Order: sequence, then C-alpha cells, then structure tokens
Amino acid sequence: GQNIDQPTEMTATEGAIVQINCTYQTSGFNGLFWYQQHAGEAPTFLSYNVLDGLEEKGRFSSFLSRSKGYSYLLLKELQMKDSASYLCAVRTYGGATNKLIFGTGTLLAVQP
Amino acid sequence: KAGVTQTPRYLIKTRGQQVTLSCSPISGHRSVSWYQQTPGQGLQFLFEYFSETQRNKGNFPGRFSGRQFSNSRSEMNVSTLELGDSALYLCASSPGQGSSNEKLFFGSGTQLSVL
Repeated sequence: GQNIDQPTEMTATEGAIVQINCTYQTSGFNGLFWYQQHAGEAPTFLSYNVLDGLEEKGRFSSFLSRSKGYSYLLLKELQMKDSASYLCAVRTYGGATNKLIFGTGTLLAVQP
Repeated sequence: KAGVTQTPRYLIKTRGQQVTLSCSPISGHRSVSWYQQTPGQGLQFLFEYFSETQRNKGNFPGRFSGRQFSNSRSEMNVSTLELGDSALYLCASSPGQGSSNEKLFFGSGTQLSVL
C-alpha cells in the first residue's frame, strides 16, 4: 500500500527553527515534494528532492533519505506568515504522470 | 501570467444532485489534475488529463468523472452526490512534459458542501 506520515500539528516561536518530518512507504519512488498551504488558499510549491541529501532554498531546506523512506522540511528564522499547513507528497511513477500521494499535512502555528 | 482558476469557489448541493466544477490551467500548461481534500484524508488524487485524454486515475467511484477540452480547460463532474463528497476539490496544472521534478500549480479550489 501507499502510506505517508506527518505530524498533525506543531507549534514554534517566531525567529526559531522548526523541523517537520515525513516518512513514506510507497510502491515506487520518483521524487518527494513539499507544499505550503495557507488556510483557504491554494497549495504552493516549496521544494523537491529525488536524490539523498539536503536542498537549501533561502529560509527553507528539505532533506531526503531514500533508504530510510524519510524526509524533513526545515524552516529557519520563523515568521508569523509561516503559519500554514505543510504537505509532503511522493511521486511514485516514472514517466508522464502527475499523480502524487500526499500526507495529511502538518499544521504549523508560529507564536510571537 | 494568470494562475490556475477554479469556479465556482463555493457550492452547496443536496444529496442525489450532480455537480460540475471547472478549472482553467495556466496558459501553456497541458496537464490538469484533480484532487479531493478533506481534513481526515488529506489530498487524494482523482484523475489527470493531458491533451484531452485521461492519463491516470485514482481510486474513486465512477460517479466522479472528468474531461478536458482542446484549450486545456477541464471540468469535473460528480453525479448522485453523497454526504461524504463534501470536500475541497483542487485542480492543479503543469506543463505535462513528464519530467520527475515537474511541479504542480494549484488553484484555490471549489468548496463543495452536500446537505
């Protein structure tokens, strides 16, 4: 079967660092995505990993370990506007398809 | 460049009715995917269309159907609505070139409530 696990909720303080974990068990693997979704808005792309290691993009970094079926999203210098849901998604197929398997999302609350 | 546009934004229907949702992708994007989002299940893949053909399908009953037009706009139809169909329906577009890092651009969704 296909399973992606993320913590349901997290709380962090403005200016701090937070790590959101994602573990996956899928029948195939062809890349892992992180999306951010503010309440009532569209999910927006944050990062993509297909090889093991860390991808850094400004205040956001994402890590992947394919052997462990594990990824995390690291948010630094947290701002109030980072309060949102963070979605982990796996592309299981190769080739031409945009079917992604999503986790249920992690709701992050940033407090002053 | 305009983003992905979904209409209507909100919809209220009663059990047994049918509903049609619309999605206009980003200009030049040929792939349109549909996802259902509920609090307990997260985003679940419904189907994907590319060049007017269904390219992939999720595990939803046949009451859920879709189509894509020659201008890449897509519609999704749900017949014989059930209470459990209440959800946010998200449309996502992408160029459709098939690269593994191709990211999806989502619309804000249609919030469907079935009473």
